[in-house]
Amino acid sequence: GAVVSQHPSWVICKSGTSVKIECRSLDFQATTMFWYRQFPKQSLMLMATSNEGSKATYEQGVEKDKFLINHASLTLSTLTVTSAHPEDSSFYICSGGLGDQPQHFGDGTRLSIL
Amino acid sequence: AQSVTQPDIHITVSEGASLELRCNYSYGATPYLFWYVQSPGQGLQLLLKYFSGDTLVQGIKGFEAEFKRSQSSFNLRKPSVHWSDAAEYFCAVGRGISGGYNKLIFGAGTRLAVHP
Repeated sequence: GAVVSQHPSWVICKSGTSVKIECRSLDFQATTMFWYRQFPKQSLMLMATSNEGSKATYEQGVEKDKFLINHASLTLSTLTVTSAHPEDSSFYICSGGLGDQPQHFGDGTRLSIL
Repeated sequence: AQSVTQPDIHITVSEGASLELRCNYSYGATPYLFWYVQSPGQGLQLLLKYFSGDTLVQGIKGFEAEFKRSQSSFNLRKPSVHWSDAAEYFCAVGRGISGGYNKLIFGAGTRLAVHP
């Protein structure tokens, strides 16, 4: 079945640095990928929709200059958290799918900002 | 706007007992409905989905769910729970577009604990 690989699985960095998270579709081409954020013991909140070859669509309240999304190819989308601060610490998950097929999720990235 | 409600935040059952997790949705058109399971620190695994057709859908790991349009519900069931079923369960609705659906709206999740 379709597999989505997300990397890194865990990252710890100092406040003020930028962190890049990669999401790859391994055996299918994803024209659209989605980025979610999940706080401890809470549900997934959609941050943005990543479209191959075009600008991402951000949900209301999500700072597009803080969370930079690039979808340069049909198999790779990246999320860069710029100038990260402790409040950006969270679990970030990507997903991808084909047309009307179910979304397949990456294993997530736990981001800890010190 | 679409929304998904999972009324039960925590559920505890004994191993071998039956399970039902509730999910209600709010959506004007025919929804795309999903149940996902998440183990701690991991991503989401699809249990089952409903797009159209038979309203009783079978999924992996012995789970099933029934779509009831009149009740706007999509409850998840399992006749006999195993200790390995302890996890967080999310119900989600996909907003339909031409040719399928796009972004998912998730419920708050139900945390399942299983007593031996």
